[in-house]
Amino acid sequence: DAKTTQPTSMDCAEGRAANLPCNHSTISGNEYVYWYRQIHSQGPQYIIHGLKNNETNEMASLIITEDRKSSTLILPHATLRDTAVYYCIVSPGGATNKLIFGTGTLLAVQP
Amino acid sequence: GAVVSQHPSRVICKSGTSVKIECRSLDFQATTMFWYRQFPKQSLMLMATSNEGSKATYEQGVEKDKFLINHASLTLSTLTVTSAHPEDSSFYICSAREVTRTARVLTFGAGSRLTVL
Repeated sequence: DAKTTQPTSMDCAEGRAANLPCNHSTISGNEYVYWYRQIHSQGPQYIIHGLKNNETNEMASLIITEDRKSSTLILPHATLRDTAVYYCIVSPGGATNKLIFGTGTLLAVQP
Repeated sequence: GAVVSQHPSRVICKSGTSVKIECRSLDFQATTMFWYRQFPKQSLMLMATSNEGSKATYEQGVEKDKFLINHASLTLSTLTVTSAHPEDSSFYICSAREVTRTARVLTFGAGSRLTVL
């Protein structure tokens, strides 16, 4: 699986958009970009995933560059409950394909 | 949506005893489940892939005789920590992917915190 690089930590003001970057320059053509988050002492929560096109759901938007070497997760209106570690993972995503977690980004939403 | 349940959520045991953690997919079938371990202030580390009806596949460095995995049905996988020691104290998390789901999303349980005294 390709590796990802994320900033260790980021701050965001409550109510503002949080933009979390991820580099995955060695991503393969069949690998998806997944985003999960982990709130303290809980299991990871799925946020969004994409292959080539930008994606949006009720939680966030995912912007993938045209060359697929990087992506950005956007939380449009961050709240205090969005404080968590955010993981960007690339994987083929098949039924038996595992997800390998990196160190992630600790997003701290400030009041 | 898909739900994965883990039990127990917290367990304390004495050194030398064995502890079993259950992972259930509540509303879907999963031929494959994954077990992770997480130490404080660290990321999740994949321990093994649990395969229904066959042997688990362990990641490098994970002792298969210490961490016994059984995937007896399409909705249940168990992790047994045998002869537990204080260094096995950790947060254990399972995950599963719905067989028929095309979204390719892994759903995670809430985790089981093991403390070995």
